[in-house]
Amino acid sequence: GAVVSQHPSRVICKSGTSVKIECRSLDFQATTMFWYRQFPKQSLMLMATSNEGSKATYEQGVEKDKFLINHASLTLSTLTVTSAHPEDSSFYICSAREITGSYNSPLHFGNGTRLTVT
Amino acid sequence: GDSVTQMEGPVTLSEEAFLTINCTYTATGYPSLFWYVQYPGEGLQLLLKATKADDKGSNKGFEATYRKETTSFHLEKGSVQVSDSAVYFCALALRNNNAGNMLTFGGGTRLMVKP
Repeated sequence: GAVVSQHPSRVICKSGTSVKIECRSLDFQATTMFWYRQFPKQSLMLMATSNEGSKATYEQGVEKDKFLINHASLTLSTLTVTSAHPEDSSFYICSAREITGSYNSPLHFGNGTRLTVT
Repeated sequence: GDSVTQMEGPVTLSEEAFLTINCTYTATGYPSLFWYVQYPGEGLQLLLKATKADDKGSNKGFEATYRKETTSFHLEKGSVQVSDSAVYFCALALRNNNAGNMLTFGGGTRLMVKP
């Protein structure tokens, strides 16, 4: 089946530094990838939609300059948390839809990245 | 706007008990419906889906029927196991949203199964 690899799975960084999270579709191509944030015991909050070759579309309330998204190829999207602060600590999850999929094709999810900012 | 409402958890059951997790939705169009499962420390995995009214999705002993008349997609399993302990998310996708098949998620329901 389709696999989405997300790396790293865990990262601890100091306040003020930047962290990059990678999301790769291993055996399929994806024009669109989605980035979610999950707070403890809560649902997923869509942060942004990443489109290959164009700018990401951010959800209301998500700072574009804080969460930089790059979708440079059909198999890779990256999320960079810039100047991280403790309140950015969270579980970040990416997902992707196969390029050949329709609107109701299941999304394939990465295993998530737990970010802890100290 | 579109939304998904799930019963709040946690749901705590003994092994082999019957499981029902309620899910209802509101949507401006005719959505496809999904159940995703998240095991501890992992991302989400598709559990099952249904794309039209009266469809029944099933997988690993779980099943859910798309009920248009009640706008529901309740998840059921006849006999749960400890390994089913996870968080379950109901979600919908609409054809005409701007982001292709961006999912709208419910709040998630944590299931804890005790031996």
